[in-house]
Order: sequence, then C-alpha cells, then structure tokens
Amino acid sequence: QQQVKQSPQSLIVQKGGISIINCAYENTAFDYFPWYQQFPGKGPALLIAIRPDVSEKKEGRFTISFNKSAKQFSLHIMDSQPGDSATYFCAASSNTGNQFYFGTGTSLTVIP
Amino acid sequence: GAVVSQHPSWVICKSGTSVKIECRSLDFQATTMFWYRQFPKQSLMLMATSNEGSKATYEQGVEKDKFLINHASLTLSTLTVTSAHPEDSSFYICSARDGGLDTQYFGPGTRLTVL
Repeated sequence: QQQVKQSPQSLIVQKGGISIINCAYENTAFDYFPWYQQFPGKGPALLIAIRPDVSEKKEGRFTISFNKSAKQFSLHIMDSQPGDSATYFCAASSNTGNQFYFGTGTSLTVIP
Repeated sequence: GAVVSQHPSWVICKSGTSVKIECRSLDFQATTMFWYRQFPKQSLMLMATSNEGSKATYEQGVEKDKFLINHASLTLSTLTVTSAHPEDSSFYICSARDGGLDTQYFGPGTRLTVL
C-alpha cells in the first residue's frame, strides 16, 4: 500500500511558469514532509521540508503548501527554469519511526 | 553541511562475484543509515535500515544473505552484494540520518552493472 500518493507522474511547463506537484497521505502520525530533487544518475537532494504546524514554507522559488485537514501537501516552483528539469519526490515520516515513505516521483520538464 | 559520499560511483562486475559499496557521512554522525535501490524512472525502494552497532533491518522481500549490510561506525555503512547476478544490476543509493536531525541526506548513488 502506497503510504504517500504523488501526482502527476510527469509535468511539462514553459520557462517562467509555475510547476505544481501534489502529494497526499493517510497516516496522521506523519509529522515531517520533505521534498527531494533528483537529477539523472545522481542521488536525491533535499529541496525543502515542512512540519504540520505551518501551512506554508517558502525558500526562494520553492514553496510547500500544507493542508493538514485534507492530508495533502504540494510543491510549487515559481518562475520555472530549464535547470529545474528533474524528478521530484515527496516524502513523509513520523518522529516515532526512522523510515521515510516516498511518493512515486514526478518528472518535470521545463521547456525554454 | 550534511554531506554523504558513496564509493564507488559505478562498478561493473562479472556474474558470481561480490561487490562492496561504501557509504560515509562526512560531516555528521549517522545514527541510522538506509540503503535504497532504484530502477530507471522509478521511485526509491527501501532495502534495509541499519543502526550503528546493530544488525540491519531488512524490508520484506530483500534477501539479507545476498545484501549484507554492516554499519560499523557512526560514519560508515557498507552494502555487499554477494554472488551478484545480472538481475542485481541497479542504482543503489544510501542515505544517512543524524538522530538530532529530521531528514535523511542521500549519497550520490552507485551504478552496479553485472555482466
């Protein structure tokens, strides 16, 4: 059973546009939600993360929106650039366990 | 900060040989390390979780006698693929977590090709 559901599977955005990737979870014990960016042939790199005590977190062009009641969170990439083209994974974990539960990934392509 | 290295970055071996992959946390003490396997265009598949000084916990379906994990110190974990076969060819990625930190930091991955 997929603990974290991610959509869309792939996304094509024009340069300068907004990329939006969504994730949903069921386990209310989750209290930490990171996003990772992965380029081909590389390991995932932490992009931004949020805890449920805030509804939004922004770092540069990247914003996480968090809806605790809906058990959903999303990544917004503002002013998308070709260099943002990568696979993005959302994840969730709880402080009672070590394991991270990853979404299935979204392949983002930003076209010039 | 929070850098994790992996060695080698790629390896090609013959079927039946064993391959060791090292994962090191360079600037923090990793109380827990994780080993993942990733197939092309797919998500990360957790293979096992290891805590320093104790035996690794393997995910269901992962053969512990085939994928030997040793977390010998707070900065080093090794994955040994024993008697490798072509179906073991994959991208193996480790991650490390400091007990005082929320997140996992990933290594750059190791591409294993078994001929």
